[in-house]
Amino acid sequence: EVQLVESGGGLVQPGGSLRLSCAASGFTFGSHWMHWVRQAPGKGLVWVSRINSDGTSTIYADSVKGRFTISRDNAKNTLYLQMNSLRAEDTALYYCTRNWGSAAFDFWGQGTMVTVSS
Amino acid sequence: QSALTQPASVSGSPGQSITISCTGTSSDVGAYNYVSWYQQHPNKAPKLMIYDVSNRPSGVSNRFSASKSGNTASLTISGLQAEDEADYYCSSYTSSGTRVFGGGTKLTVL
Repeated sequence: EVQLVESGGGLVQPGGSLRLSCAASGFTFGSHWMHWVRQAPGKGLVWVSRINSDGTSTIYADSVKGRFTISRDNAKNTLYLQMNSLRAEDTALYYCTRNWGSAAFDFWGQGTMVTVSS
Repeated sequence: QSALTQPASVSGSPGQSITISCTGTSSDVGAYNYVSWYQQHPNKAPKLMIYDVSNRPSGVSNRFSASKSGNTASLTISGLQAEDEADYYCSSYTSSGTRVFGGGTKLTVL
């Protein structure tokens, strides 16, 4: 059974940093591109970032470019999102999701909540 | 990276059909057959319902169908059931290699 379990969320002050993790199991993690998607409270889904299967290619939404870094450790079956210079507008539930086919997301974790507030 | 445009809400009675539109641009929806649709129930993770414009993953009811014309994609749910009440999101690949979601549509089953 495919499982994605996010962790690392919490309350952080504006300008602070946080690293999210996503532990993957039930599939060959190193064969799949992975994404982070976020959802602010009561709002819609917003794509954040993508990493390819071996970690050599990454891409970001303009809203997080230069502040967030996606990475992965295929030996540990874990996806990461390093978030720096956090802003109030980064407050959201952050989902880890698996790329499937050309551009779909077939499995999602339950999310980890990030709150940026003083 | 503007969000794709979806109606904020749609509604229908049990047994009826509804259609949700998703309008993008020639740099995303119109450029690629890489539109997908997601169902999200309250406090749950999204679920993939349609990929590559019109394909259903295994296990998704054939009451869900989708298509695309130009810069607009559409999701149709036929034979509405109470459990279909949820938020629905479209997503597309973009010419810059990123992904973009629609703003979401709340489906109410009357």
